[in-house]
Amino acid sequence: AQTVTQSQPEMSVQEAETVTLSCTYDTSESDYYLFWYKQPPSRQMILVIRQEAYKQQNATENRFSVNFQKAAKSFSLKISDSQLGDAAMYFCAQGGETSGSRLTFGEGTQLTVNP
Amino acid sequence: DTGVSQDPRHKITKRGQNVTFRCDPISEHNRLYWYRQTLGQGPEFLTYFQNEAQLEKSRLLSDRFSAERPKGSFSTLEIQRTEQGDSAMYLCASSGERAQETQYFGPGTRLLVL
Repeated sequence: AQTVTQSQPEMSVQEAETVTLSCTYDTSESDYYLFWYKQPPSRQMILVIRQEAYKQQNATENRFSVNFQKAAKSFSLKISDSQLGDAAMYFCAQGGETSGSRLTFGEGTQLTVNP
Repeated sequence: DTGVSQDPRHKITKRGQNVTFRCDPISEHNRLYWYRQTLGQGPEFLTYFQNEAQLEKSRLLSDRFSAERPKGSFSTLEIQRTEQGDSAMYLCASSGERAQETQYFGPGTRLLVL
């Protein structure tokens, strides 16, 4: 069974500052992949960033980067130069080859960006 | 490419009624997924299709739930004899043919059962 845990129900950050959202996971699969999705209020879920477990290099997408610690089963998201439009619910998710195509999601972290 | 679309966006029904939701995936995607999301929680997997074949169903998908993808394009999710506990957001996602490909989500159908 796969589990994904986000221990921070809510986080806040000042505009232009940096914030890190935490995620831990547990899986028995050797070939898996991790995602961060963003879900703004009343809007659809969009992909922020993905990481393949076999890659040692941390993924980066513009202001978004991850800190992937495979041994610790940790996958945190860092948002640099936070913008008002970054305010949303952020979900960490994990999928794997042998678990079919299902994604297992965490409980989410509600991010508030203060002007 | 207009992304994944879902219809209706909102549905209010009375307990005991049947409801059907539709999902149109990204056109070149042959995998299609259904998830359920209750308020303040992350999405939970319900089922997925590769082309027209339903390959996996979650235990969450009770006998009252049925999903189809008859021609390998759009999919429908039907809930029979709705219960108040069925109230949730029903999300559809699609991806390419490999399991590791990114899933792209639609806007969801919000169901309220009175």
